[in-house]
Order: sequence, then structure tokens, then C-alpha cells
Amino acid sequence: NAGVTQTPKFQVLKTGQSMTLQCAQDMNHEYMSWYRQDPGMGLRLIHYSVGAGITDQGEVPNGYNVSRSTTEDFPLRLLSAAPSQTSVYFCASSYGTDTQYFGPGTRLTVL
Amino acid sequence: KQEVTQIPAALSVPEGENLVLNCSFTDSAIYNLQWFRQDPGKGLTSLLLIQSSQREQTSGRLNASLDKSSGRSTLYIAASQPGDSATYLCALNTGFQKLVFGTGTRLLVSP
Repeated sequence: NAGVTQTPKFQVLKTGQSMTLQCAQDMNHEYMSWYRQDPGMGLRLIHYSVGAGITDQGEVPNGYNVSRSTTEDFPLRLLSAAPSQTSVYFCASSYGTDTQYFGPGTRLTVL
Repeated sequence: KQEVTQIPAALSVPEGENLVLNCSFTDSAIYNLQWFRQDPGKGLTSLLLIQSSQREQTSGRLNASLDKSSGRSTLYIAASQPGDSATYLCALNTGFQKLVFGTGTRLLVSP
């Protein structure tokens, strides 16, 4: 199993550009989620999904969209990047109330 | 709103010491608590998961306890090694696998 994979590892955007961060898992997990990690703020939940076709907002959803068309994939879309979205983004997946597995992260810089 | 505090923020110990990391939270309505390790520039690695109905979990030199009534969890590391140097994060599952994280304890174990 590859576990949770994220692409790209690094990305630099200009203000106003859009992009999609990819997340995939091969463990047939029902739950998937996106977090951002900022210095001094810890990790905060952006969006989460409890299964294919079902998504909901977390603590900091503004400026981000998600969709879950398959069990395996959970992409995060930045519609119009802003410098405040400079962060490290982590995707996670799990089954039931079991251990959550995190991807290696995407480091995003918005200029 | 659930708030999670980790004390101390940083800890430096000589190799071989036993140590305790603390995590406190404000709302006892949780499904489980998970301890993670994060190495610099890397993703999160799950160490221990304690379900809401459990009091403690052990894995090798690690032991985690959970006391919901007092809003506290501790991570005990026995016979610390330089390879244990990392940031340790506790996270509470508030439902639908949504995690609320503490800001972490940065541990340095010197040879």
C-alpha cells in the first residue's frame, strides 16, 4: 500500500492564481480530510469528507473548495490564491474511529 | 469550542531520561485522542490512539493515558534516545474524524 499520497510536494503561486492540491489513498478509507499547518497556529481543519459524494466545512474553509467523486481521491482547490494561504497542507484518511494516516504534505507559497 | 494545550512547548533532556508530555483539553465530549510525532519538514506519524472508553495505551517505550474527567492526557517516553527528537502533537477527535490539534511539544534528546 502506498498509504496517503499528496502532489505536488512544493508549489509557488502568484496572488489570484488557482490550483488543485491532489490527495489519494489506497486503503479504502471512508473518512478523508484536509488540514493546514501554520507556525504558532498548529494544524487546523479545512474540509472533510465522510464518504464519496459527501463533504463538509471545517474550521477554516474560506477560499477552498473540495469534492469527493471517488473513495480514493479528495482534491483541494484554491480558487484565487492569496498570501494568507501560504502554508503547509496535509491530507489525512481513516476508517471508522481508527488511527488517522497523514500524507507527506504540500508546501505552498503565494507571492 | 474545544481548545487543546500542550505543555511544555519545548523540552531538552539528556539521553536515557524518562519524560512526560502533557496535553489538556476543555471539552470531554471526544471520540478518541491520538498522539503524533512530526519530524522537521515531514508529515505526521501516528504513535498511539486512545479510544474514549480507554484509559491508556502502550507501544514499546511509549505509554499514553487519558483522563476525560480532568481533561488531560499524558505521553510517557521511557529511556529517551536521540532518535526521539521531534515535535509531539496530541489531537482530539470531536466527531466524524475531525481532529483538533494542540500546538505541540518540541523535544530534543541530547547524546
